[in-house]
Amino acid sequence: QAHLVQSGAEVKKPGASLKVSCKASGYSLNTYVMQWVRQAPGQRLEWMGWINVGNGNTKYSENFQGRVTITRDTAASTVYMELSSLRSEDTAVYYCATEDFYYYHMDVWGKGTTVTVSS
Amino acid sequence: QSVLTQPPSVSGAPGQRVTISCTGSSSNIGAGFDVHWYQQLPGSAPKVLIYGNNIRPSGVPDRFSGSKSGTSASLVIIGLQAEDEADYYCQSYDNSLSVSTVFGTGTKVTVL
Repeated sequence: QAHLVQSGAEVKKPGASLKVSCKASGYSLNTYVMQWVRQAPGQRLEWMGWINVGNGNTKYSENFQGRVTITRDTAASTVYMELSSLRSEDTAVYYCATEDFYYYHMDVWGKGTTVTVSS
Repeated sequence: QSVLTQPPSVSGAPGQRVTISCTGSSSNIGAGFDVHWYQQLPGSAPKVLIYGNNIRPSGVPDRFSGSKSGTSASLVIIGLQAEDEADYYCQSYDNSLSVSTVFGTGTKVTVL
């Protein structure tokens, strides 16, 4: 069964950068769009951006003001989400999810990566 | 950035019917974009419950149903069960600047 494996929990200091990976297990990501979503403690889901793994096209939420970059390594069937200039408000669980071809919903989700930003 | 508005919480006794609304605008739901619903159990990743406005993935009980009309959508749970206690989010797309993903504000369902 298709699933996504995310990198482990991280603790970062304010001002640092974060890079979270998301690897497909058992299938190739090359024909998918990968979405990234985060959830601060007790808060709602927040969309961050997506990448078309096949052609590398990206789209980012304006809420991150250029701090987020999503890249991919097609040979490794892995997508990366990088967030720079971290602040305490970036403390959250970060999820990757593949987007369905026909209805564009997020059908397969990673388990999430917990990120804590603290001095 | 646009968001979709949901009631913060709804509750019901086991066996009852509950409805969660998702209110958008002419740049998202009203523009014809599909609405999807996700269930998030405590400590878990979200799971798709309804996609394409009213389609249940295999394995999702038929007590869950979705609908869409105008600039709003709804998720209905008929015959509420204890295991339905979770957070629920609607999701669609918005084209107010360029097409981007938007989530609802989330609804906590409590089974009394």
